[in-house]
Amino acid sequence: AQKITQTQPGMFVQEKEAVTLDCTYDTSDPSYGLFWYKQPSSGEMIFLIYQGSYDQQNATEGRYSLNFQKARKSANLVISASQLGDSAMYFCAMRDELIQGAQKLVFGQGTRLTINP
Amino acid sequence: GAVVSQHPSWVICKSGTSVKIECRSLDFQATTMFWYRQFPKQSLMLMATSNEGSKATYEQGVEKDKFLINHASLTLSTLTVTSAHPEDSSFYICSAPHRGGEKLFFGSGTQLSVL
Repeated sequence: AQKITQTQPGMFVQEKEAVTLDCTYDTSDPSYGLFWYKQPSSGEMIFLIYQGSYDQQNATEGRYSLNFQKARKSANLVISASQLGDSAMYFCAMRDELIQGAQKLVFGQGTRLTINP
Repeated sequence: GAVVSQHPSWVICKSGTSVKIECRSLDFQATTMFWYRQFPKQSLMLMATSNEGSKATYEQGVEKDKFLINHASLTLSTLTVTSAHPEDSSFYICSAPHRGGEKLFFGSGTQLSVL
């Protein structure tokens, strides 16, 4: 079975600093996808970034980048120039299996990020 | 962009009553939708996969008769919590894949409180 591990329950960062949220995964499937979602206090899940296992380059989306180290099975999220609005829960997730072209995700435990002014 | 609408946002009900939660894909069709449950300060746990025109697929340990799922159209899936009890109080959130499934979009979630 696939597994996602986020070892940082909470992170505190000063505004404008960069922050790295850790995520390691375990799978025997050669083809997989890795996701990061942001969940503010309102509860909605906001898609941030996606990395496919065969992608040659690390994914980037604005201030978000994914440090994908396949051999180490890690997919850390890097947020550059953090903002107060970045304070939220962050979940790493892995595609579990492909169902009718859709994807079932397995989520990590989450990291609560707090940005201090 | 793709939007998934979920209603209601929150609901309070008495123990023993049933509660229906709707999940709609607003500008795209979804033959599959996923229902998750999230307890406070915990991660999302997949409950079931909703399939348009066929029976839902439930994860191990999830009671089919307790959590009824209906995917009646390509844009609507419903989750009904039957005979709700306080232990069913949780945050329920749906998701739908868009364009081949690479991206999963989530509804805004429903906070259920059973008294």
